[in-house]
Amino acid sequence: GAVVSQHPSRVICKSGTSVKIECRSLDFQATTMFWYRQFPKQSLMLMATSNEGSKATYEQGVEKDKFLINHASLTLSTLTVTSAHPEDSSFYICSAPEGTNYGYTFGSGTRLTVV
Amino acid sequence: QQPVQSPQAVILREGEDAVINCSSSKALYSVHWYRQKHGEAPVFLMILLKGGEQKGHEKISASFNEKKQQSSLYLTASQLSYSGTYFCGTDAYSGAGSYQLTFGKGTKLSVIP
Repeated sequence: GAVVSQHPSRVICKSGTSVKIECRSLDFQATTMFWYRQFPKQSLMLMATSNEGSKATYEQGVEKDKFLINHASLTLSTLTVTSAHPEDSSFYICSAPEGTNYGYTFGSGTRLTVV
Repeated sequence: QQPVQSPQAVILREGEDAVINCSSSKALYSVHWYRQKHGEAPVFLMILLKGGEQKGHEKISASFNEKKQQSSLYLTASQLSYSGTYFCGTDAYSGAGSYQLTFGKGTKLSVIP
């Protein structure tokens, strides 16, 4: 089945630094990638939608200058958390529509801890 | 708009059945169901498309009532491996030719021996 590879799985960074999270579709072309954030014991909240070759669409309340999204190719989308703060600590997950069965394939998630 | 899931949590003994409901205030293109184990990413279970349908996946099945904008997930003869948080995702038109998957708050299912 379709696989989305997400890296890193865990990262601890100092406050004020930037962290890049990568999601690659391994056996299909992901023209669209959704980025979610999940706080403990809560649901997945959509942050932004990236489309290959165009600007990402951000959900209300998500700072586009803080969460930089790049979707440079049909198999790679990246999320960069800039000037990270402790309140950015969360579980970040990417997801792409797979196409064949219309389901969405999720990456394995990145647990970000900002200290 | 976030779909509403019920119940929030349920505890079952092995072999018992459960139903998880999901409702939306928006017209839906499809409904997705996912299961998430603690610390892991969600895993796709099934999708039900507009037109109203039922689907089955081993002992887990689901229905989608398009008119009522509701879906239900049925777990029969539950197994320990069914434990996790179940999310419904509603796929609705978000404008500019695109659709968006929005998740409910989840239903925590615990299956005990």
